[in-house]
Amino acid sequence: EPEVTQTPSHQVTQMGQEVILRCVPISNHLYFYWYRQILGQKVEFLVSFYNNEISEKSEIFDDQFSVERPDGSNFTLKIRSTKLEDSAMYFCASRVERVSSYEQYFGPGTRLTVT
Amino acid sequence: EDKVVQSPLSLVVHEGDTVTLNCSYEVTNFRSLLWYKQEKKAPTFLFMLTSSGIEKKSGRLSSILDKKELFSILNITATQTGDSAIYLCAVGGGADGLTFGKGTHLIIQP
Repeated sequence: EPEVTQTPSHQVTQMGQEVILRCVPISNHLYFYWYRQILGQKVEFLVSFYNNEISEKSEIFDDQFSVERPDGSNFTLKIRSTKLEDSAMYFCASRVERVSSYEQYFGPGTRLTVT
Repeated sequence: EDKVVQSPLSLVVHEGDTVTLNCSYEVTNFRSLLWYKQEKKAPTFLFMLTSSGIEKKSGRLSSILDKKELFSILNITATQTGDSAIYLCAVGGGADGLTFGKGTHLIIQP
């Protein structure tokens, strides 16, 4: 069964460093998402991406964040200058384009630890 | 602001019991309500509901949506220890991203 994959599974970085989190969405899906979950808190929406551009972003997704689809399969989230409060599990998700099909499928996540 | 409230936040039952998890929501331009199961890592998709009164069923799990009263329930019958997880309710509204509730932490004791 096709699934969303994410690398790395765990990333440790120092405050102020740049990190890139990688995702490979399900191959026939056209909408891509990033969410984060701070330990013990809700899953929170960051950004959605369709047709090679951001379609929506939340208040959390400020100028230090960016997303890119550098080729036909990868979808990346870059955090330019990490802060301690960026420590969280980051989930990538994808869905098909069909109008009636809103279910999003999540990857296993990348645990980001900022020290 | 879209809002999803789940109850109870945690629940401990014995194997074989039936449980009902609740999700109420306030959302602009409702499109769908989704249930996910989260074990160690990724939320795994269970159900998507868009119409009131139509039960979705998968094995021992079932779910129904009430769009008039703005809530959904997830039922699990004959619970097993493998059902232990956090169950997440999420709503899709006018915006593309999902709004999640805090989840119900379900523990099934042998």
